Amino acid sequence: AQSVTQLDSQVPVFEEAPVELRCNYSSSVSVYLFWYVQYPNQGLQLLLKYLSGSTLVESINGFEAEFNKSQTSFHLRKPSVHISDTAEYFCAVTSGGYNKLIFGAGTRLAVHP
Amino acid sequence: NAGVTQTPKFRVLKTGQSMTLLCAQDMNHEYMYWYRQDPGMGLRLIHYSVGEGTTAKGEVPDGYNVSRLKKQNFLLGLESAAPSQTSVYFCASSEDVGAAFFGQGTRLTVV
Repeated sequence: AQSVTQLDSQVPVFEEAPVELRCNYSSSVSVYLFWYVQYPNQGLQLLLKYLSGSTLVESINGFEAEFNKSQTSFHLRKPSVHISDTAEYFCAVTSGGYNKLIFGAGTRLAVHP
Repeated sequence: NAGVTQTPKFRVLKTGQSMTLLCAQDMNHEYMYWYRQDPGMGLRLIHYSVGEGTTAKGEVPDGYNVSRLKKQNFLLGLESAAPSQTSVYFCASSEDVGAAFFGQGTRLTVV
C-alpha cells in the first residue's frame, strides 16, 4: 500500500529564515504529488503540484518543491519565510486511480518574529 | 465562485444520534470525496464517488454511508454516531487528474 511520510511534525523557524519541509512517499508506480496548506480553522488549499514535466515546481507565494524519483521525495522549500506562512502543510500522493489522495500526517510550520 | 460548500460547519451529537453532512460543488467535477482529519493522522478517505449514482469505500468507511443522487451533491451520513467519529470532516471534488478542491470542513463532536 502507498504511504506518505512527513518527517517533521513541527518546524519552528524565525522570520526571513529558509525552511524545508520533508516528504517521502512509497510507490512503485507513477504518481502525482501535491502540497496543501491549511491555515487555522480553514480547509485545505493547494500550494503546488507535480503531475509531469519539470521536476521543480513553484507556487505563487515563493514556495517550491522538487520531485526526486530515485529518492521518492517531494520536499517543500522556501528561501525566506514570513509570519503569514504559519500553517499546517500536508504532502499528498495519488493512490489507486480516481485521483484519490493519501496524505502525510502534516507538518506544523511556526514562524516566529 | 463558491467552489466546494459544506453544511453544517459545526455540530454536536449525542452517542447514537444520526446526521447527514451535505457537500455541494459548482465546478461540474465528476469525482467527489469525503475525508476525515484527526490530529497527527493527516486526512483519511472515508468514501468517494466517481460520478452521479456511484459510490465506493475508502480507507475508513465503517460507520458511514454516502449517496450521490445529483452530480453536484455528495452526502455523508452517520446512522448511529459514536465518540470515535469526533473529527473534522472535509469534502473535496476533482477531475480525473489534477488538484482536488476542498470545502471548509465540518467540525463534529460526539458526546
